[in-house]
Amino acid sequence: KNQVEQSPQSLIILEGKNCTLQCNYTVSPFSNLRWYKQDTGRGPVSLTIMTFSENTKSNGRYTATLDADTKQSSLHITASQLSDSASYICVVTDYGGATNKLIFGTGTLLAVQP
Amino acid sequence: DARVTQTPRHKVTEMGQEVTMRCQPILGHNTVFWYRQTMMQGLELLAYFRNRAPLDDSGMPKDRFSAEMPDATLATLKIQPSEPRDSAVYFCASGHLQGPDTEAFFGQGTRLTVV
Repeated sequence: KNQVEQSPQSLIILEGKNCTLQCNYTVSPFSNLRWYKQDTGRGPVSLTIMTFSENTKSNGRYTATLDADTKQSSLHITASQLSDSASYICVVTDYGGATNKLIFGTGTLLAVQP
Repeated sequence: DARVTQTPRHKVTEMGQEVTMRCQPILGHNTVFWYRQTMMQGLELLAYFRNRAPLDDSGMPKDRFSAEMPDATLATLKIQPSEPRDSAVYFCASGHLQGPDTEAFFGQGTRLTVV
């Protein structure tokens, strides 16, 4: 069964610190992997998207890595800010030809404290 | 700027009533998704459309849920009759998913409460 698992479930860090969120997946065939940020009461917003041939991609203070061999990805947040408090969701696309399906992890809830 | 628009943003209804949620995808996008999000389950795919044709609605309870795209600018998700367990936030997303390096954009969601 195609699955996406994330860890930790929740995380509390102090403002200014770095953190790394993990994502393991079993989706096959694999098309791409995305990280979304979802603020409370809002829709998810894309942070990064990587195809199977990409190892890393950055978006400001967010850096995502991908190891397609071990089927693992991480999202590293540098110098965290209070506005980084949100849910971070790992999403893998099941590349079934005409039926690309997004498979969501359950997310990591990040709280950045002053 | 282009965005996915969902209406209503909030809906409170009594058990047994019909609920219709609407989504206006971004113009030009050929794929539309409906997701449901709860604290316990996270984001669950209910249905999705490609070029207005339903591709997969296996995540949807068929006896009470229905999803349609009457035209390229409107997608609807209907629940009849609604039940308290349907209480959740329902998200619509659209994209032009023809290749591996494509993006899906989410609306702000409809928060449904069935009492």
